[in-house]
Amino acid sequence: GAGVSQTPSNKVTEKGKYVELRCDPISGHTALYWYRQSLGQGPEFLIYFQGTGAADDSGLPNDRFFAVRPEGSVSTLKIQRTERGDSAVYLCASSLTGRTEAFFGQGTRLTVV
Amino acid sequence: AQKITQTQPGMFVQEKEAVTLDCTYDTSDQSYGLFWYKQPSSGEMIFLIYQGSYDEQNATEGRYSLNFQKARKSANLVISASQLGDSAMYFCAMSRVNAGNNRKLIWGLGTSLAVNP
Repeated sequence: GAGVSQTPSNKVTEKGKYVELRCDPISGHTALYWYRQSLGQGPEFLIYFQGTGAADDSGLPNDRFFAVRPEGSVSTLKIQRTERGDSAVYLCASSLTGRTEAFFGQGTRLTVV
Repeated sequence: AQKITQTQPGMFVQEKEAVTLDCTYDTSDQSYGLFWYKQPSSGEMIFLIYQGSYDEQNATEGRYSLNFQKARKSANLVISASQLGDSAMYFCAMSRVNAGNNRKLIWGLGTSLAVNP
């Protein structure tokens, strides 16, 4: 499809497990963002990629969270030793460099039980 | 630090009427951008409208217009001729402009809009 694709759409995992969330941005979009949205809240910035490099990771809550974008397109958000507080919808967005609007995927709903 | 405040947790509007969703912001930056996004129950964030801090005219996109009052630091969204499909959460957000290509967004808590037939 032409939009931002996120997989899986839903993920249930046990506390302490490792999870990977995938984002496939719009083709040609060099900027990629990850946000986290908890229930009843607005999204919260996690990390920004420009090409392959993480240009701003100031929103990652702790060292259990890590993200990569090795070839400048698909990105993977990795969460180690998951905790119940990590339960949220993880949103990915992409945009053309210098453009104002970002296009979002439908998110991955992560539930840690 | 940047902050977005949306004081209306929920709003109701009659179909075909206009509705205003409030947004105030706080920033020490001179250059910034203001956004409105719609989030239906499906979860996807849909871009609606953008206003740059130096834009002299209020932004408009179809039935959406942004009432930008810089001195009051407000950026209210006006939806004209509401439709049933407008029922959704609406988020106001802000980004820095003088931050290279980084357009990370700071978001409000959102307003839930229900359009009544």
